[in-house]
Amino acid sequence: KNEVEQSPQNLTAQEGEFITINCSYSVGISALHWLQQHPGGGIVSLFMLSSGKKKHGRLIATINIQEKHSSLHITASHPRDSAVYICAVQASGSRLTFGEGTQLTVNP
Amino acid sequence: ETGVTQSPTHLIKTRGQQVTLRCSSQSGHNTVSWYQQALGQGPQFIFQYYREEENGRGNFPPRFSGLQFPNYSSELNVNALELDDSALYLCASSSKIDSGPSYNSPLHFGNGTRLTVT
Repeated sequence: KNEVEQSPQNLTAQEGEFITINCSYSVGISALHWLQQHPGGGIVSLFMLSSGKKKHGRLIATINIQEKHSSLHITASHPRDSAVYICAVQASGSRLTFGEGTQLTVNP
Repeated sequence: ETGVTQSPTHLIKTRGQQVTLRCSSQSGHNTVSWYQQALGQGPQFIFQYYREEENGRGNFPPRFSGLQFPNYSSELNVNALELDDSALYLCASSSKIDSGPSYNSPLHFGNGTRLTVT
């Protein structure tokens, strides 16, 4: 079993839909990162959080430390949101452990 | 503020050769991490450098080595290339709090170097 599990693996939505991507992890962490990767390979950091909730534009990330679970929500989805979304956890120390990613496709 | 830049963007090497990949960190960041991402998979941690010293290593053999320079730029060296080394190599810079394991800034990733070993 991977230390970081994401669901779903693939997600197709219509423009305007509300989207949720889930991340569960099995280790104690100091921070959790949500990342966005476009087809060219470049990765953009969306959120780094260790508790509660963060919001940036149409994106919202939540984390429940007790349940070892985080969610990334996208409101009013748009085709430009199509990308791979990756959850990564930072345990004590330096390394990040990544989930396999969720491929999101938003159709117009 | 400059972002993280990696070079080259693409590289083709033959099995058994050696390769050096380069990363220029975000200005003000003292920590750089390297990751290997095989096609269709999440990135795997190779190692991290903090203030020019290795500060954590993933499950990669010694033929993967690195350097961090005083200006916080970094190199990843891979010797005796194998076919399975074909992947996207990503570096990420951040700023680490000196007194503990935590970052005080989000990670900034480069666009990666696509390495193909034939």
